[in-house]
Amino acid sequence: DTGVSQNPRHKITKRGQNVTFRCDPISEHNRLYWYRQTLGQGPEFLTYFQNEAQLEKSRLLSDRFSAERPKGSFSTLEIQRTEQGDSAMYLCASSLEGPRTGNEQYFGPGTRLTVT
Amino acid sequence: DQQVKQNSPSLSVQEGRISILNCDYTNSMFDYFLWYKKYPAEGPTFLISISSIKDKNEDGRFTVFLNKSAKHLSLHIVPSQPGDSAVYFCAASEGDKIIFGKGTRLHILP
Repeated sequence: DTGVSQNPRHKITKRGQNVTFRCDPISEHNRLYWYRQTLGQGPEFLTYFQNEAQLEKSRLLSDRFSAERPKGSFSTLEIQRTEQGDSAMYLCASSLEGPRTGNEQYFGPGTRLTVT
Repeated sequence: DQQVKQNSPSLSVQEGRISILNCDYTNSMFDYFLWYKKYPAEGPTFLISISSIKDKNEDGRFTVFLNKSAKHLSLHIVPSQPGDSAVYFCAASEGDKIIFGKGTRLHILP
C-alpha cells in the first residue's frame, strides 16, 4: 500500500507526558500537512511542510507542539507536557505541488491521542 | 468564525435516490472547493473538487455544483448506494491551506 501511513494508530498517555507521532507521506509528494480533529468538527489545520521547510503554522499550534520533516520525507509531530485538551485525532496528509492541481490532499488513517 | 459551513449535521436518503449535500462559505478568495468522505476509524478520502472559475464538475455518480454569487456549493450523489453512508466534509482552499466544514453524516436507507 503506497498511501499515507501514520504511527501509532492509538496513543494513551498521562497528562504531562510527551508524545511523538510519525507520518510517512505518499513517496512522490513534496507537501505534508498536519491536522487535528475533535469530535463533531472537521479537520483543523496545524502546520505544513514543503520538502523539509515548515512554511506555515496555525495559531492552534502552541509552543508545546513541534513538527519536523528532517529529510523532506517522513514527519514527526511532538507534543510536550500533554494536557487533556490535546485529546484528539491527529491527521497527516500529503499532496504534490504542481501546475494547479486543486490542492487535493491525501490523508492517512490518523493517530488517536487520549490524555488521561 | 466559520468560513466553511455545513448546516445539516445529518441526512437520510433512500437507496437509489439522489443525495444532495450542501455547503456555504464566506471567503470570496477561496480558489478551490473540495469534498471528502470519511468512514469511522479512517482518514478523510478525497472525492471531487471544483475550481472557483467553474460551476460544475462531474465524476461518475458524483457532481459538484458551485454558485459563486450565493457562496454555495453542493454535492450530488446519484444513485445513492449503501457504501455512500459516511461523513462528508466540504472544504475550501486558499493558497496551500484547506479549511474544512464540520461535516454532514449521510445515511443511505435500504
